[in-house]
Amino acid sequence: GQQVMQIPQYQHVQEGEDFTTYCNSSTTLSNIQWYKQRPGGHPVFLIQLVKSGEVKKQKRLTFQFGEAKKNSSLHITATQTTDVGTYFCAGHRDNQGGKLIFGQGTELSVKP
Amino acid sequence: EPEVTQTPSHQVTQMGQEVILRCVPISNHLYFYWYRQILGQKVEFLVSFYNNEISEKSEIFDDQFSVERPDGSNFTLKIRSTKLEDSAMYFCASRRRSRSGANVLTFGAGSRLTVL
Repeated sequence: GQQVMQIPQYQHVQEGEDFTTYCNSSTTLSNIQWYKQRPGGHPVFLIQLVKSGEVKKQKRLTFQFGEAKKNSSLHITATQTTDVGTYFCAGHRDNQGGKLIFGQGTELSVKP
Repeated sequence: EPEVTQTPSHQVTQMGQEVILRCVPISNHLYFYWYRQILGQKVEFLVSFYNNEISEKSEIFDDQFSVERPDGSNFTLKIRSTKLEDSAMYFCASRRRSRSGANVLTFGAGSRLTVL
């Protein structure tokens, strides 16, 4: 079945350093979404990418969707302690309300 | 901002007991989901529900699981005979019917199930 792989599993950075997490799907996706889960919290939607090669920015966060629509990345510039949490990518194969498949997540810790 | 609400926030049960987890999706949403997350692991799809029937389910969603939308507002997940490995956080999610490409899920805060 469809799998979404995400690396790294953990990333520890010093505050101010950059952070990147990578996501790869075994199948072509119709769209990819990114969620953030704070410790003890629930996944909260960050952004959705739909078009091949799409790049979107939210302040210090940059999201990319690969040309083949099978991979994606999230890059955080100059991390802050508020960035702590687990970042999940999640993909849809179709636009018909089908299941959203999550990657394993990358847990980010930021040392002040 | 509209929310997906889940009850209970934490349930402790004995192995073999039945558990019902409740969710109230956002009122104008039409697609409903249950996901679970074992502590420290990824969020796993269980089941999706649309138009009063299951639209897709995972291999995890076996005969001990069932879902229901009994009254047009609540969306429930029943686990018939709980096992130790059912201990997890269960998230309900919903989304509205939308144009192609806008498939954003709104998650509830989760119900933590502990099976002893």
